[in-house]
Order: sequence, then structure tokens, then C-alpha cells
Amino acid sequence: QVQLQESGPGLVKPSQTLSLTCSVSGGSISSGVYYWSWIRQHPGKGLEWIGNIFYSGITYYNPSLKSRVTMSVDTSKNHFSLRLSSVTAADTAVYYCASLKVIPLYEAFDPWGQGSLVIVSS
Amino acid sequence: DIEMTQSPSSLSASVGDRVTITCRASQGIRNDLGWYQQKPGKAPKRLIYAASSLQSGVPSRFSGSGSGTEFTLTISSLQPEDFATYYCLQHNSYPITFGQGTRLEIK
Repeated sequence: QVQLQESGPGLVKPSQTLSLTCSVSGGSISSGVYYWSWIRQHPGKGLEWIGNIFYSGITYYNPSLKSRVTMSVDTSKNHFSLRLSSVTAADTAVYYCASLKVIPLYEAFDPWGQGSLVIVSS
Repeated sequence: DIEMTQSPSSLSASVGDRVTITCRASQGIRNDLGWYQQKPGKAPKRLIYAASSLQSGVPSRFSGSGSGTEFTLTISSLQPEDFATYYCLQHNSYPITFGQGTRLEIK
């Protein structure tokens, strides 16, 4: 059973780049079964999808963040990553990684990582 | 973008009550919809996928129905551990979008 775990700095300065990694265990990131996803949740607010990446490198980004987002996959390390550039306080949120199953059926996100709180502050 | 309108935004109910939460999609999404439960400080937990399929390990008091634009999550008999926030999401087309959430509180 696939499990996900986020890691990265909990504090980022304004205008800098937020970088997070999601380690995948219990399965291969190259299986082709899942899209690998990032989702965030502002404090006390709802959920916002950031983007998906397939092991081949195909990406889909939320248009609201597209100009600042880069997602990548490292198949040798079985992990995928998020970079969000030019951050402001509005990017303070809990960032979740999750998987979106596409084979044999298309299924909503499951599992999720535990979440990583990132605070943008000087 | 497909807008997911979830109602109600909050709900007070008692243990043993039957509760229904609705999500309406701004355009047809077939059955590409999931329902999630989130408790404070925790990641969302999937309850339902493909609009009506019960996630393994989730109690059978939870059920989902609908297709196209109208979807419902029903909890047949509320238990104390069910008081939480519930979200729907559509993954039919990009960008993937969530409902705004329903906070289920104890009456």
C-alpha cells in the first residue's frame, strides 16, 4: 500500500522559493498507476489543488498558480517535488502530497501525506 | 473551471441523526467525484470515490450517490466520531476543484 510523506523547510522568506519533497513508499513512483499531486490548505480554509505530475514528467497545474509552480519527479529516489517561486504571506498553508489513481479506474485522491506546514515570513 | 457548490456550509446535528450533504457541479462530471472527511490537524480522509463507491474500512453508515451534476453524501446514523468537516471534489477536468466544505457540529 502506497504511503506518502512530505518534507521540507517550515519557514520561507517572502520572495523566495518554497521547496517540498514527497517521498513515496510501498510502491514505485514509476508504476504508471498514479498521478502524483500537491494540494494546499490555507489556515482555517478549504482545499486548493496545486498540480499533478505523472512519472513521465507530464504535468498539469492550477492556472491560478501556474506561473510560479514547478513540479518534478525523481524516479531513482522514488519521490516527487514542488517548487513555488516568489512566495508571499498568502502562500502560508499546509501543503499535502497525494496520489490520483488512474488505473484501472480513475479515482479521487488517496492516499495523502500527513501535511507540511509552510509559513512565509521574514 | 468547474465550480463545486457544497451545501450546507455548516450543520448542527445529534448523535443518531441522518445527515445529507449535497454537492452541485457547474457542469457534468460523470461520476468523477470523491467525498472526504477532515478532522482538525489531520489530512483529509477519503470516504467515497467514483461518487458512490465506499472506501475500504469506512463504516457502511456513509454512502454516496449521484452522477452528472448532483451528488449527495449521506450519513445514516451519526456517531460521535463523525463530527468533522466534509469536502467534495471533482477530478473530471482540470483544474481539479473542491467544494468549500461542510462543518458538521454537535447540536
